[in-house]
Amino acid sequence: DSGVTQTPKHLITATGQRVTLRCSPRSGDLSVYWYQQSLDQGLQFLIQYYNGEERAKGNILERFSAQQFPDLHSELNLSSLELGDSALYFCASSVEGRAEAFFGQGTRLTVV
Amino acid sequence: AQSVAQPEDQVNVAEGNPLTVKCTYSVSGNPYLFWYVQYPNRGLQFLLKYITGDNLVKGSYGFEAEFNKSQTSFHLKKPSALVSDSALYFCAVSSPNTGNQFYFGTGTSLTVIP
Repeated sequence: DSGVTQTPKHLITATGQRVTLRCSPRSGDLSVYWYQQSLDQGLQFLIQYYNGEERAKGNILERFSAQQFPDLHSELNLSSLELGDSALYFCASSVEGRAEAFFGQGTRLTVV
Repeated sequence: AQSVAQPEDQVNVAEGNPLTVKCTYSVSGNPYLFWYVQYPNRGLQFLLKYITGDNLVKGSYGFEAEFNKSQTSFHLKKPSALVSDSALYFCAVSSPNTGNQFYFGTGTSLTVIP
């Protein structure tokens, strides 16, 4: 168990809908990262938050947004969903001064 | 720009034999290099990292990796493979200059044959 908790584990929704994925980082970790894993794109970095502030942005679509709350949990919001958004979404967290990150078990999103 | 290449989609090895999973990287500046393993329907588990120092780093479950700056490689190795090592292995690079997010390779599926 990495200590990073993601909910829900599975999500099935229709095209055009909006969903929210939730991540609780390991205790004490201030950085949260979101990644998307799909068959055609592999593992791609979406966005990073550090102590509530956006720190870095990767290949994140404009339809996607994220935030980190004062208790350090993070949410990834995906809207106007398309079939191609079906993927495994991972959250990871790390502590300042340590380069490695620890990953949650992911949320599998299926858009139908 | 940072990138990682894993040239082999699939590696098969007999149980008890040594295994190698290859990774090459491209990064400006000094790289932070990592190996992660993913079992079916699970998240990525951290195996080991290279930040600085000894070129041979040891990690979890008997795995080690060798950093080679001249060849820009960071191959994962294990002296004696176990059937339970069968999984998907990802090499990743990061840099403190860009927020420490990872750039992953495409992954190598390792199958250890009993």
